[in-house]
Amino acid sequence: DQQVKQNSPSLSVQEGRISILNCDYTNSMFDYFLWYKKYPAEGPTFLISISSIKDKNEDGRFTVFLNKSAKHLSLHIVPSQPGDSAVYFCAASAHSGAGSYQLTFGKGTKLSVIP
Amino acid sequence: DSGVTQTPKHLITATGQRVTLRCSPRSGDLSVYWYQQSLDQGLQFLIQYYNGEERAKGNILERFSAQQFPDLHSELNLSSLELGDSALYFCASSPRNDSPLHFGNGTRLTVT
Repeated sequence: DQQVKQNSPSLSVQEGRISILNCDYTNSMFDYFLWYKKYPAEGPTFLISISSIKDKNEDGRFTVFLNKSAKHLSLHIVPSQPGDSAVYFCAASAHSGAGSYQLTFGKGTKLSVIP
Repeated sequence: DSGVTQTPKHLITATGQRVTLRCSPRSGDLSVYWYQQSLDQGLQFLIQYYNGEERAKGNILERFSAQQFPDLHSELNLSSLELGDSALYFCASSPRNDSPLHFGNGTRLTVT
């Protein structure tokens, strides 16, 4: 049972255009969402996050949108650059009383930015 | 560089064997997490340690175990290895439970 789904395995975008990566989740207990970027032979790198009390968070060229009613979040990259080519993972967390902070990851979307 | 160090980078071993993967967290981070990424899968949470104590368990097999030492480094032990255990194993650390995780570059385990 996949609680975090990234339905697009891959996405190609022209340099300078907008990249939109999508993520859906099923667990209504998730209250914190993150995007990670991963280059080959490296570990995932934290990109941006959003709490469930917000619907938008922006950091430079990266913006994450959260639609709680639809259980959907998206990552917008504007403008896209060739260096953004990587696998992007969506992750979600439900804070537990035990203080654990487990992340549930999607399978990733491979973004290719074409020069 | 995330500051999280994992060794070895690659490990090739035979079925039935036992291996140990090592992780040094970022300086000052008390929490260590282990994740497994199999082919075409997302990262699956295995186990978390906080300041030497087990804090949470995920989809970790009974053949697998982990510990965190007083110097905060952690080891993941995989025994009675099967072909299906071939995967990338990532370690991550964080200073607090509400901080994003910082991942190491992983150990690629191949079981033949």
